[in-house]
Amino acid sequence: DAMVIQNPRYQVTQFGKPVTLSCSQTLNHNVMYWYQQKSSQAPKLLFHYYDKDFNNEADTPDNFQSRRPNTSFCFLDIRSPGLGDAAMYLCATSETGVYGYTFGSGTRLTVV
Amino acid sequence: AQTVTQSQPEMSVQEAETVTLSCTYDTSESNYYLFWYKQPPSRQMILVIRQEAYKQQNATENRFSVNFQKAAKSFSLKISDSQLGDTAMYFCAFMTSSNTGKLIFGQGTTLQVKP
Repeated sequence: DAMVIQNPRYQVTQFGKPVTLSCSQTLNHNVMYWYQQKSSQAPKLLFHYYDKDFNNEADTPDNFQSRRPNTSFCFLDIRSPGLGDAAMYLCATSETGVYGYTFGSGTRLTVV
Repeated sequence: AQTVTQSQPEMSVQEAETVTLSCTYDTSESNYYLFWYKQPPSRQMILVIRQEAYKQQNATENRFSVNFQKAAKSFSLKISDSQLGDTAMYFCAFMTSSNTGKLIFGQGTTLQVKP
């Protein structure tokens, strides 16, 4: 089945130690998104790619970076994780957005 | 600013009963898209139903239907014949046609279906 796959499902990292989360898709969608979802809160958009065109939200901290080396893969890099970065990170894809997004299962990040 | 408000943090319903989840939104644009997403515990978020603002007819997907009131900027979700598998967090979300790169979510409603 075509899908969005996030690895790992659970990630524990040390305070200040860089960490990378990955997302892959078999849907061949043009657009890929990264959302941050803290406990019992609404997902918050960090950035998205339209093809290779990167779009950063104004309030996304500089600590968060992203790479999209090809259509299928997208990475979220957190350069120096703080305790406040502990959250579920959701990757999503869409063709145009208007038909909704397809989400991955998420990566739950714990910072110790 | 464009916002989505879900005023019911938690709701519960008996199995086989009907429940309605509320959602209001605010925008100055006339063309936009509305969505309800379901996020079961520890599972991925899936699209339940979508509505295009220029369509007056309310969307329906099996047991799920919406009541879209454009003038009131209201977009409620009705779940008929509730099932245990409907237990989840439900998010109302909104996207303008001028910015289809950004889906704005409400705070969510946790729905518990009781046997």
